[in-house]
Amino acid sequence: QKEVEQDPGPLSVPEGAIVSLNCTYSNSAFQYFMWYRQYSRKGPELLMYTYSSGNKEDGRFTAQVDKSSKYISLFIRDSQPSDSATYLCAMSVNTNAGKSTFGDGTTLTVKP
Amino acid sequence: GAVVSQHPSWVICKSGTSVKIECRSLDFQATTMFWYRQFPKQSLMLMATSNEGSKATYEQGVEKDKFLINHASLTLSTLTVTSAHPEDSSFYICSASPPLDTIYFGEGSWLTVV
Repeated sequence: QKEVEQDPGPLSVPEGAIVSLNCTYSNSAFQYFMWYRQYSRKGPELLMYTYSSGNKEDGRFTAQVDKSSKYISLFIRDSQPSDSATYLCAMSVNTNAGKSTFGDGTTLTVKP
Repeated sequence: GAVVSQHPSWVICKSGTSVKIECRSLDFQATTMFWYRQFPKQSLMLMATSNEGSKATYEQGVEKDKFLINHASLTLSTLTVTSAHPEDSSFYICSASPPLDTIYFGEGSWLTVV
């Protein structure tokens, strides 16, 4: 069993929809939780970075962490066609984000 | 903001040859850089941690002699795939982090071995 499991998708939604992307994990030592967006044939770019449990909001994006359930989510409000990409969750035990464990990614398509 | 640059973006090489991929931190010094490999529709797999001025630390299952890493300066790390074979074809990505900042990924390098 993988340490990080991510809903595989693909996910297709109409423009303006609310999108929910989810990951579960098994390592209770994870303290730092990240969401990355990766466009086709490009390197990932960091979207959200949270420490421990709670919510964090940045514009149309909200990251949620529930450590008791070992579950994290990324919500995208008012989704846009430009949000179409693969979203990767990642987690690390310490601040060394370079040694994060990544989910396999969820491919999202937002249709105009 | 911080930028990590990779070169080349894509490369095609013949089986049995070696190919070098560069990773540069453009506006910060990086004592540590990371190299990943990503197969289509799969996640990033950490291959090794590149340490400036010392040997790289390889993850379990990654062949050190196959994937040579050199981190000769604070802004440059190179990954050399030696004696490449078609199964080495993949997307290789590097990352680096400025002090007290988050991590930034390069644009990635597509390697196709024919």
